[in-house]
Amino acid sequence: EDQVTQSPEALRLQEGESSSLNCSYTVSGLRGLFWYRQDPGKGPEFLFTLYSAGEEKEKERLKATLTKKESFLHITAPKPEDSATYLCAVQDGGGSQGNLIFGKGTKLSVKP
Amino acid sequence: DTAVSQTPKYLVTQMGNDKSIKCEQNLGHDTMYWYKQDSKKFLKIMFSYNNKELIINETVPNRFSPKSPDKAHLNLHINSLELGDSAVYFCASSQMPGTGGGGYTFGSGTRLTVV
Repeated sequence: EDQVTQSPEALRLQEGESSSLNCSYTVSGLRGLFWYRQDPGKGPEFLFTLYSAGEEKEKERLKATLTKKESFLHITAPKPEDSATYLCAVQDGGGSQGNLIFGKGTKLSVKP
Repeated sequence: DTAVSQTPKYLVTQMGNDKSIKCEQNLGHDTMYWYKQDSKKFLKIMFSYNNKELIINETVPNRFSPKSPDKAHLNLHINSLELGDSAVYFCASSQMPGTGGGGYTFGSGTRLTVV
């Protein structure tokens, strides 16, 4: 069964304090790994898609990397506006017909 | 112009009632989905429709029935509502499953509270 595990569940940082969020996954055949940001009371907002081990994507203070077993979302010099829940999801190339399977998320709080 | 819009945003109803949530997307996507986000913020797939045909139906009670009049709309009808149905329901859309690097586009959610 496909599984996605995110850690930590919650992370509190001071403004400017860099850190990383982890997403480990188990799928029969990875078609894609997705990172989303979710603000309170809103739907998830797409950030990145990664397709193969070694791939990296960057957007402002965020950088996502992928290995065969896990992905990291690195946050460099975060600002308070980066506070949100970050969701990881995998798309299985096997029997789930393109369904995205989500982890439970990491709630990030950045204090000024 | 909202890409994926769902109504209503909030829905409070009594146990046993029947209710519907509507979703529309203007992205020209081929596939639409309903996800349920529980109190622990865990997002789980309920249904997906590709060109008006159901292609995924996870283990959801048959009190929940998706209806897609065309590929831009996917409504969710819920019969005999129960307390455990309280959650946030998200509609999403994408190109055909497995294609497109943008993943899914989500609506802003419908918070359903059953009392």
